[in-house]
Amino acid sequence: AQTVTQSQPEMSVQEAETVTLSCTYDTSENNYYLFWYKQPPSRQMILVIRQEAYKQQNATENRFSVNFQKAAKSFSLKISDSQLGDTAMYFCAFMGMDSNYQLIWGAGTKLIIKP
Amino acid sequence: DAGVTQSPTHLIKTRGQQVTLRCSPISGHKSVSWYQQVLGQGPQFIFQYYEKEERGRGNFPDRFSARQFPNYSSELNVNALLLGDSALYLCASSSSGTGVSGTQYFGPGTRLTVL
Repeated sequence: AQTVTQSQPEMSVQEAETVTLSCTYDTSENNYYLFWYKQPPSRQMILVIRQEAYKQQNATENRFSVNFQKAAKSFSLKISDSQLGDTAMYFCAFMGMDSNYQLIWGAGTKLIIKP
Repeated sequence: DAGVTQSPTHLIKTRGQQVTLRCSPISGHKSVSWYQQVLGQGPQFIFQYYEKEERGRGNFPDRFSARQFPNYSSELNVNALLLGDSALYLCASSSSGTGVSGTQYFGPGTRLTVL
Protein backbone atom coordinates (compact mmCIF):
# COMPACT_ATOMS: atom_id res chain seq x y z
CA ALA A 1 0.00 0.00 0.00
CA GLN A 2 1.12 3.51 -0.74
CA THR A 3 1.90 5.92 2.07
CA VAL A 4 2.73 9.61 2.19
CA THR A 5 4.70 11.13 5.07
CA GLN A 6 5.07 14.77 5.98
CA SER A 7 7.48 15.01 8.89
CA GLN A 8 7.03 18.69 9.70
CA PRO A 9 3.77 19.32 11.60
CA GLU A 10 4.34 23.07 11.68
CA MET A 11 6.74 25.65 10.25
CA SER A 12 6.95 29.41 10.45
CA VAL A 13 9.03 31.92 8.50
CA GLN A 14 9.20 35.65 8.03
CA GLU A 15 7.50 37.26 5.08
CA ALA A 16 9.69 37.33 1.94
CA GLU A 17 11.82 34.39 3.10
CA THR A 18 12.09 31.05 1.32
CA VAL A 19 10.68 27.92 2.95
CA THR A 20 10.85 24.25 2.00
CA LEU A 21 8.24 21.68 3.03
CA SER A 22 9.21 18.01 3.02
CA CYS A 23 7.31 14.99 1.75
CA THR A 24 8.31 11.38 1.28
CA TYR A 25 6.23 8.57 -0.13
CA ASP A 26 6.36 4.84 -0.52
CA THR A 27 5.11 2.96 -3.57
CA SER A 28 5.98 0.04 -5.78
CA GLU A 29 4.37 1.69 -8.80
CA ASN A 30 6.42 3.30 -11.54
CA ASN A 31 3.74 5.55 -13.02
CA TYR A 32 2.19 8.06 -10.67
CA TYR A 33 1.53 11.70 -9.98
CA LEU A 34 2.41 13.83 -7.00
CA PHE A 35 0.62 16.95 -5.84
CA TRP A 36 0.86 19.73 -3.33
CA TYR A 37 -2.41 21.20 -2.14
CA LYS A 38 -2.94 24.23 0.07
CA GLN A 39 -5.82 24.47 2.56
CA PRO A 40 -6.23 27.94 4.08
CA PRO A 41 -8.53 28.56 7.05
CA SER A 42 -11.40 28.91 4.58
CA ARG A 43 -11.05 25.09 4.20
CA GLN A 44 -11.03 25.02 0.38
CA MET A 45 -8.36 22.64 -0.90
CA ILE A 46 -6.41 24.44 -3.62
CA LEU A 47 -4.02 22.78 -6.06
CA VAL A 48 -0.57 24.34 -5.83
CA ILE A 49 1.56 22.21 -8.13
CA ARG A 50 1.65 18.84 -9.87
CA GLN A 51 4.54 16.55 -10.85
CA GLU A 52 4.36 13.63 -13.24
CA ALA A 53 6.72 10.85 -12.16
CA TYR A 54 7.88 10.18 -15.72
CA LYS A 55 9.16 13.75 -16.06
CA GLN A 56 12.67 14.37 -14.79
CA GLN A 57 12.25 18.15 -14.87
CA ASN A 58 10.97 19.62 -11.62
CA ALA A 59 7.63 21.42 -11.87
CA THR A 60 7.45 25.17 -11.26
CA GLU A 61 4.48 27.48 -10.80
CA ASN A 62 5.49 31.09 -10.20
CA ARG A 63 6.91 31.24 -6.62
CA PHE A 64 6.31 27.52 -6.06
CA SER A 65 8.71 24.81 -7.18
CA VAL A 66 9.35 21.20 -6.29
CA ASN A 67 12.42 19.06 -5.81
CA PHE A 68 11.39 15.63 -7.07
CA GLN A 69 13.83 12.83 -6.30
CA LYS A 70 12.24 9.67 -7.69
CA ALA A 71 14.87 7.22 -6.47
CA ALA A 72 14.70 8.64 -2.96
CA LYS A 73 10.89 8.91 -3.16
CA SER A 74 11.07 12.49 -2.03
CA PHE A 75 8.92 15.41 -3.16
CA SER A 76 9.59 18.71 -1.41
CA LEU A 77 7.90 22.05 -2.04
CA LYS A 78 9.84 25.30 -2.09
CA ILE A 79 8.02 28.59 -1.65
CA SER A 80 10.08 31.63 -2.62
CA ASP A 81 9.40 35.22 -1.50
CA SER A 82 6.75 33.97 0.93
CA GLN A 83 3.65 36.11 1.41
CA LEU A 84 1.14 36.42 4.24
CA GLY A 85 -1.44 34.77 2.00
CA ASP A 86 0.68 31.62 1.89
CA THR A 87 -0.32 30.90 5.49
CA ALA A 88 -2.22 27.59 5.31
CA MET A 89 -2.05 23.84 5.77
CA TYR A 90 -0.07 22.22 2.99
CA PHE A 91 -0.78 18.64 1.99
CA CYS A 92 1.33 16.35 -0.15
CA ALA A 93 -0.70 13.77 -2.12
CA PHE A 94 0.04 10.74 -4.29
CA MET A 95 -2.00 9.26 -7.13
CA GLY A 96 -0.89 5.98 -8.62
CA MET A 97 -2.22 4.55 -11.82
CA ASP A 98 -3.03 1.34 -9.92
CA SER A 99 -4.55 3.08 -6.89
CA ASN A 100 -8.21 3.21 -7.91
CA TYR A 101 -7.51 6.81 -8.99
CA GLN A 102 -7.68 7.97 -5.40
CA LEU A 103 -5.45 10.58 -3.81
CA ILE A 104 -3.43 9.34 -0.85
CA TRP A 105 -2.57 12.14 1.51
CA GLY A 106 0.04 13.10 4.05
CA ALA A 107 -0.94 14.50 7.43
CA GLY A 108 -0.13 18.05 6.39
CA THR A 109 2.25 20.83 7.42
CA LYS A 110 0.91 24.00 8.99
CA LEU A 111 2.81 26.92 7.49
CA ILE A 112 2.70 30.31 9.18
CA ILE A 113 4.10 33.39 7.43
CA LYS A 114 4.93 36.10 9.93
CA PRO A 115 4.86 39.82 9.00
CA ASP B 1 -16.37 29.30 -15.05
CA ALA B 2 -17.81 28.03 -11.80
CA GLY B 3 -15.69 25.71 -9.72
CA VAL B 4 -16.86 22.68 -7.79
CA THR B 5 -19.87 23.50 -5.65
CA GLN B 6 -21.10 21.66 -2.58
CA SER B 7 -24.21 21.94 -0.47
CA PRO B 8 -24.97 22.47 2.28
CA THR B 9 -22.02 24.36 3.79
CA HIS B 10 -22.74 23.21 7.32
CA LEU B 11 -24.95 20.52 8.72
CA ILE B 12 -25.80 19.40 12.24
CA LYS B 13 -27.35 15.97 12.81
CA THR B 14 -27.90 13.64 15.72
CA ARG B 15 -26.69 10.07 16.09
CA GLY B 16 -28.68 7.56 14.08
CA GLN B 17 -29.93 10.05 11.54
CA GLN B 18 -29.23 9.99 7.82
CA VAL B 19 -27.59 12.74 5.75
CA THR B 20 -27.23 13.57 2.05
CA LEU B 21 -24.45 15.78 0.76
CA ARG B 22 -24.45 17.19 -2.76
CA CYS B 23 -21.74 18.12 -5.23
CA SER B 24 -21.69 19.69 -8.68
CA PRO B 25 -18.46 19.27 -10.67
CA ILE B 26 -16.71 21.76 -12.87
CA SER B 27 -18.46 22.02 -16.22
CA GLY B 28 -17.08 19.36 -18.56
CA HIS B 29 -15.71 17.17 -15.78
CA LYS B 30 -17.07 13.64 -15.72
CA SER B 31 -15.48 12.28 -12.57
CA VAL B 32 -16.36 13.05 -8.96
CA SER B 33 -14.51 11.89 -5.86
CA TRP B 34 -15.51 12.13 -2.20
CA TYR B 35 -13.14 12.48 0.75
CA GLN B 36 -13.60 12.67 4.51
CA GLN B 37 -11.29 14.99 6.43
CA VAL B 38 -11.30 14.68 10.19
CA LEU B 39 -10.01 17.75 12.03
CA GLY B 40 -6.22 17.83 12.10
CA GLN B 41 -5.74 15.05 9.54
CA GLY B 42 -5.35 14.62 5.82
CA PRO B 43 -8.38 13.60 3.75
CA GLN B 44 -9.39 9.95 3.40
CA PHE B 45 -10.79 8.63 0.13
CA ILE B 46 -14.41 7.44 0.20
CA PHE B 47 -15.59 7.02 -3.42
CA GLN B 48 -14.84 7.91 -7.00
CA TYR B 49 -17.46 7.94 -9.75
CA TYR B 50 -16.84 8.27 -13.46
CA GLU B 51 -19.56 8.36 -16.08
CA LYS B 52 -22.11 7.43 -13.42
CA GLU B 53 -20.31 4.25 -12.37
CA GLU B 54 -18.37 3.62 -9.18
CA ARG B 55 -14.70 3.28 -10.04
CA GLY B 56 -13.15 3.21 -6.62
CA ARG B 57 -14.11 2.78 -3.00
CA GLY B 58 -12.12 3.47 0.13
CA ASN B 59 -12.18 1.65 3.43
CA PHE B 60 -15.51 2.95 4.69
CA PRO B 61 -18.50 0.95 6.01
CA ASP B 62 -21.60 0.24 3.98
CA ARG B 63 -23.36 3.07 5.78
CA PHE B 64 -21.65 5.28 3.21
CA SER B 65 -23.06 5.26 -0.30
CA ALA B 66 -22.97 7.55 -3.29
CA ARG B 67 -24.28 7.99 -6.77
CA GLN B 68 -23.63 10.12 -9.82
CA PHE B 69 -26.37 11.56 -11.99
CA PRO B 70 -26.52 11.99 -15.80
CA ASN B 71 -25.45 15.65 -15.41
CA TYR B 72 -22.37 14.33 -13.48
CA SER B 73 -23.44 15.84 -10.16
CA SER B 74 -23.17 13.51 -7.20
CA GLU B 75 -24.67 12.75 -3.82
CA LEU B 76 -23.01 11.17 -0.80
CA ASN B 77 -25.33 9.47 1.67
CA VAL B 78 -24.45 8.42 5.17
CA ASN B 79 -26.88 6.33 7.20
CA ALA B 80 -27.04 5.66 10.93
CA LEU B 81 -24.73 8.53 11.77
CA LEU B 82 -22.09 8.06 14.45
CA LEU B 83 -20.23 10.71 16.42
CA GLY B 84 -17.10 9.69 14.52
CA ASP B 85 -18.68 10.75 11.23
CA SER B 86 -18.22 14.38 12.23
CA ALA B 87 -15.83 15.77 9.65
CA LEU B 88 -15.35 17.98 6.63
CA TYR B 89 -16.58 16.17 3.52
CA LEU B 90 -14.77 17.21 0.39
CA CYS B 91 -15.89 16.69 -3.17
CA ALA B 92 -13.43 16.85 -6.05
CA SER B 93 -13.95 16.74 -9.78
CA SER B 94 -11.61 15.78 -12.59
CA SER B 95 -11.86 15.59 -16.32
CA SER B 96 -11.44 11.88 -16.77
CA GLY B 97 -10.13 10.48 -13.53
CA THR B 98 -6.84 9.18 -14.91
CA GLY B 99 -3.44 10.59 -15.76
CA VAL B 100 -2.99 14.32 -16.02
CA SER B 101 -6.71 14.58 -16.68
CA GLY B 102 -7.18 12.98 -13.31
CA THR B 103 -5.99 16.09 -11.49
CA GLN B 104 -8.64 16.74 -8.87
CA TYR B 105 -10.12 20.16 -8.10
CA PHE B 106 -11.95 20.57 -4.84
CA GLY B 107 -15.10 22.23 -3.64
CA PRO B 108 -15.36 24.20 -0.40
CA GLY B 109 -16.55 21.19 1.58
CA THR B 110 -19.50 20.41 3.83
CA ARG B 111 -18.89 20.54 7.56
CA LEU B 112 -20.93 17.77 9.21
CA THR B 113 -21.37 17.76 12.97
CA VAL B 114 -23.00 14.75 14.63
CA LEU B 115 -24.30 15.30 18.16
